Amino acid sequence: QSVLTQPPSVSAAPGQTVSISCSGVNSNSETDFDVHWYQQHPGKAPRLVIYDDNIRPSWVPDRISASTSGTSASLVISGLQPEDEAVYFCQSYDSHVGNKVFGGGTKLTVL
Amino acid sequence: QMQLQESGPGLVKPSETLSLRCSVSGESIITGDYFWSWLRQYPGRGLEWIGYIYSSGTSYTNPSLTNRLSILVDTSANQFSLRLKSVTVADTAVYYCARVNIYYGDAFDLWGPGTMVFVST
Repeated sequence: QSVLTQPPSVSAAPGQTVSISCSGVNSNSETDFDVHWYQQHPGKAPRLVIYDDNIRPSWVPDRISASTSGTSASLVISGLQPEDEAVYFCQSYDSHVGNKVFGGGTKLTVL
Repeated sequence: QMQLQESGPGLVKPSETLSLRCSVSGESIITGDYFWSWLRQYPGRGLEWIGYIYSSGTSYTNPSLTNRLSILVDTSANQFSLRLKSVTVADTAVYYCARVNIYYGDAFDLWGPGTMVFVST
């Protein structure tokens, strides 16, 4: 069972905007630890798309953004394209167990 | 451009030791900017951080695996490795090596393609 909670799936049509939530961030700590997001296509390794809560690496389009608020984080993808269909994972640090932790992943379907 | 590549046996018997190696190409593993990490992904999708090591040999491991786990670095070969003792079927997973970027908040910013490991008789 993942420490960070994500919805199992979300879907939207091409061109629309979708949000993926991640709850349980920093719930065991007084320190704010960074949240990172990864995209994984079938049969491939995960790929970093957001680091430090809301920063895009150079290879990620600006259609992808993220934010944090309290014990939740959100990934937002606008102008959905077929290639955005993938599983998205959030990741942070749980100081209670001294461990990097992941959400269970959210399958994004582009209808 | 740096690349990572895992290698090791695809099948291990229960109670034996799993040994995997990650070969780093394109840049020296002796850089102050990165840690070198192992992760695994279970058949049901879940991802688990196993541990990471710095080029100096200092390592940090998942507390749930510490008593079975060794992570080593071989700077002369530009590789790092994982040894997991007393494996069970619960250790069946895709194993990934990845780079931890200290300038990206310790995010895993580069991954190997992964290697599937089955624990079975």
